[in-house]
Amino acid sequence: ETGVTQSPTHLIKTRGQQVTLRCSSQSGHNTVSWYQQALGQGPQFIFQYYREEENGRGNFPPRFSGLQFPNYSSELNVNALELDDSALYLCASSSEVGIQYFGAGTRLSVL
Amino acid sequence: AQSVTQPDIHITVSEGASLELRCNYSYGATPYLFWYVQSPGQGLQLLLKYFSGDTLVQGIKGFEAEFKRSQSSFNLRKPSVHWSDAAEYFCAVGPNAGNNRKLIWGLGTSLAVNP
Repeated sequence: ETGVTQSPTHLIKTRGQQVTLRCSSQSGHNTVSWYQQALGQGPQFIFQYYREEENGRGNFPPRFSGLQFPNYSSELNVNALELDDSALYLCASSSEVGIQYFGAGTRLSVL
Repeated sequence: AQSVTQPDIHITVSEGASLELRCNYSYGATPYLFWYVQSPGQGLQLLLKYFSGDTLVQGIKGFEAEFKRSQSSFNLRKPSVHWSDAAEYFCAVGPNAGNNRKLIWGLGTSLAVNP
């Protein structure tokens, strides 16, 4: 049990819709990273938030956006969903030390 | 370019046999190194990490890994595999300084355990 919780656990959307995924970080952690994991692949870094500011971004289009709140929880927003956005979305929280602790993920299916 | 290679996509071992999962990396400087395990449909659990010091690190569930700087490798080992070890194993590397803790991941090795 890492103390990182993600909601919802599963989500079904249709193409063109928008989705918001949520993550509560572990107590004492000020950094949240989001990853996309397609079936049979390793996680791909989407972006990271450190003390409420974006602190690095992977190779994802602008329709992937995020927020981090004063309590260090975070949201991942995806606009104009595409079929290829179907994946497991993982959130990880960390302190400055750098060990990332993962939530169980949100499984997004885009039909 | 920064990358992590896990040469073995799938490995099958018998219960009680020893295990070694390979990981090679390409990175600008000596990174932080991690092994994570993922059960089907689940998130990632940290098995062990290397930051500095002793190059042989111990982790949870009886796993260990050895950092070899000259070979840019961080192989995971277990002397005796249990059926519950069947899962996907990921090697990851990240920066050893700064606030951006982006991890670079391998594609994973799927481990099956025969009874």
